[in-house]
Amino acid sequence: AQSVTQLDSQVPVFEEAPVELRCNYSSSVSVYLFWYVQYPNQGLQLLLKYLSGSTLVKGINGFEAEFNKSQTSFHLRKPSVHISDTAEYFCAVSDGTSYDKVIFGPGTSLSVIP
Amino acid sequence: DGGITQSPKYLFRKEGQNVTLSCEQNLNHDAMYWYRQDPGQGLRLIYYSQIVNDFQKGDIAEGYSVSREKKESFPLTVTSAQKNPTAFYLCASSSQVVSGANVLTFGAGSRLTVL
Repeated sequence: AQSVTQLDSQVPVFEEAPVELRCNYSSSVSVYLFWYVQYPNQGLQLLLKYLSGSTLVKGINGFEAEFNKSQTSFHLRKPSVHISDTAEYFCAVSDGTSYDKVIFGPGTSLSVIP
Repeated sequence: DGGITQSPKYLFRKEGQNVTLSCEQNLNHDAMYWYRQDPGQGLRLIYYSQIVNDFQKGDIAEGYSVSREKKESFPLTVTSAQKNPTAFYLCASSSQVVSGANVLTFGAGSRLTVL
């Protein structure tokens, strides 16, 4: 069965500093990978997705992620964070074979300190 | 603008009462989902529906019921049988049009508190 691990439950970072949010998955088949962002008391919004092709994926708000098949990782990065990036970030994986097979990680809470 | 509307945003319920959460989408998506979110646990799938008049149980369906009479609507009923219903509930939809990937669009959520 697929699973998703987000190694850091909370990440504090100073404004304008770089940040990396880690995500590892376990799957024996080809996967699709996603990062979603959730602002307080709101739904989730898609940040970026990896479907195929280039392993470096660029998303909205200056975020990017790199798919590493050998390490089964899909870490999210931003070179310079802003106060408005404070939110919960979820990594998710899907094998695309069934509507119910989207597995979410537990989330990482990013707090940007002014 | 196309999107998903969930109502109510906040709901309080006494123990033993059933409540129904509304979810409406105008994205023309075939599939709709209900997730439950608890702090530190990510999202867990309650029910999903691929087409009208058909739905499937997810990982935590006990104590919940759904219906899918129209493509646009997928209401969730939290019954008195649900042992711990206080949570944030998220409705989502998807259209598997991009290489078979399941890209989800979410509503703003409904927060249910049992008093």
